[in-house]
Amino acid sequence: QSVLTQPPSVSAAPGQKVTISCSGGSSNIGNNYVSWYQRLPGRAPKLLVYDDNERPSGIPDRFSGSKSGTSAALGITGLQTGDEADYYCGTWDSSLSVGVFGGGTKLTVL
Amino acid sequence: QAQLVQSEAEVKKPGASVKVSCKASGYTFTAYGIGWVRQAPGQGLEWMGGISAVNRSTTYAQNLHDRVIMTADTSTSTAYMELRSLRSDDTAVYYCARLFEIYYFDSGTYSHSLDTWGQGTMVIVSS
Repeated sequence: QSVLTQPPSVSAAPGQKVTISCSGGSSNIGNNYVSWYQRLPGRAPKLLVYDDNERPSGIPDRFSGSKSGTSAALGITGLQTGDEADYYCGTWDSSLSVGVFGGGTKLTVL
Repeated sequence: QAQLVQSEAEVKKPGASVKVSCKASGYTFTAYGIGWVRQAPGQGLEWMGGISAVNRSTTYAQNLHDRVIMTADTSTSTAYMELRSLRSDDTAVYYCARLFEIYYFDSGTYSHSLDTWGQGTMVIVSS
């Protein structure tokens, strides 16, 4: 059972927008910055968003992060078939003193 | 640019130990920490622990703290993760990643992200 809760799957058509949610608590999302990772099939994870809404260089602005209270979200616009992947949220849990991930969300671009 | 290259796949018997290496290049090794994450077949990402850049202190996941040791050799810019008393449920792909972390004392907020990942090392535990 993951400390952070994500929907197991989401789907949308090419060109559309999708939002992936990540729910936690006051000791993790509520008090610390959230990151988002993309894991393409057969590839290592890649950082998409850090510090709730910042993108590393090279990450297109189709990917955006947001946070409100103890929940965070990753938005992806202009969906492409190449975006089909598993997406994970992650943060630090101050009570447990460990890093934590969500269970992951599988994105299908129909 | 920053790159992490991990050691090759391993097959181990239950009860044995495995040591995975992670060689860094393209950045100042001592300016960042190293985090370790694993993914078992069909499962999600699991944070295992990390070694901090500040004083090379380590933090381990509670379910692994008695079996895992994470170290870093600054002379070779290489990090290591050793897992002992292997069990079948330790079968997974193990990743190292560059750890970017900042603690903001005024707000008590922690920024903790893994910004560059190794290619992964498959560890199979089987009798």
